[in-house]
Amino acid sequence: QIMLTQQAESLWISPGERVSITCRASQSLLYTDGKHYLSWYQQRPGQTTKALIYHASVRTDGVPTRFIGSGSGTEFTLSIEHVQPEDFAIYYCLQTLKSPYTFGAGTKLELK
Amino acid sequence: EVQLVESGGGLVQPGRSMKLSCAASGFTFSDYYMAWVRQAPKKGLEWVASISYEGSSTYYGDSVKGRFTISRDNAKSTLYLQMNSLRSEDTATYYCARQGPGTTYYFDYWGQGVMVTVSS
Repeated sequence: QIMLTQQAESLWISPGERVSITCRASQSLLYTDGKHYLSWYQQRPGQTTKALIYHASVRTDGVPTRFIGSGSGTEFTLSIEHVQPEDFAIYYCLQTLKSPYTFGAGTKLELK
Repeated sequence: EVQLVESGGGLVQPGRSMKLSCAASGFTFSDYYMAWVRQAPKKGLEWVASISYEGSSTYYGDSVKGRFTISRDNAKSTLYLQMNSLRSEDTATYYCARQGPGTTYYFDYWGQGVMVTVSS
C-alpha cells in the first residue's frame, strides 16, 4: 500500500505567521489523467472534518485563499499564510490514487 | 445543506456484530460514492471502506476486509456498515463521508461520527 509520511507531529507557530506542512508519499501520486490524487483535511474539536484541498492544489468551495496546496510526484505541501486563531487544528493528507486509501499520521498546529 | 448523520454505535463485546447507519440529506445520494473512515482514540484517520453509486462495487481497507461490509439503500439515502467479528482494535469513532463529484476522489463532506467501543 502507499505510505504517507507527515514528518512533523506538531508545529508551534504564532498567529500571523506562515507555516508549511509536508506530506511525502512512498510512490508517485500522479495518475494518467495528469492529476495528483492527494487531498488535505482539517480536524478541529467539536467540528466535522473539513476538506481543504484536492488534486494537490485545488481549494474546495469556501476555503480561504490563505490555504495553499502544492507539490507533485511524491512531495506535497499545505501552506497557510497569515495563520488565524481558527487554524490551530490537526491536518491530514490522504492519497486516493490506489486502494487501500491511506492517510498521513497528522500534523497538529499549536500556539507558540 | 449537505448533512450526514451516523447512528448505531455503542458498546459491543469482542467477536460480536454491530451495524452502523448514515442518513444523508441535502444532495442526490445516488450521485455519489460514499465511504466510512474511522479514528481510534487519540489516533489518526483510517479509511475503512468505499462504495460505488449503486453499490455494485465495494472497496475495503486491509484491516477490515472479510469482516466488514459496506452497503447502501439509495431509496432511503442511507449508508450502512455491517461489522462482524469485532476486535478491541476496532474501537474508534466511525465517520461517514461523501466522496467528491466525478473523479475528484476526495472526501468532501463528513459526518460528526459515532463511537464504537469493543470491550468485554
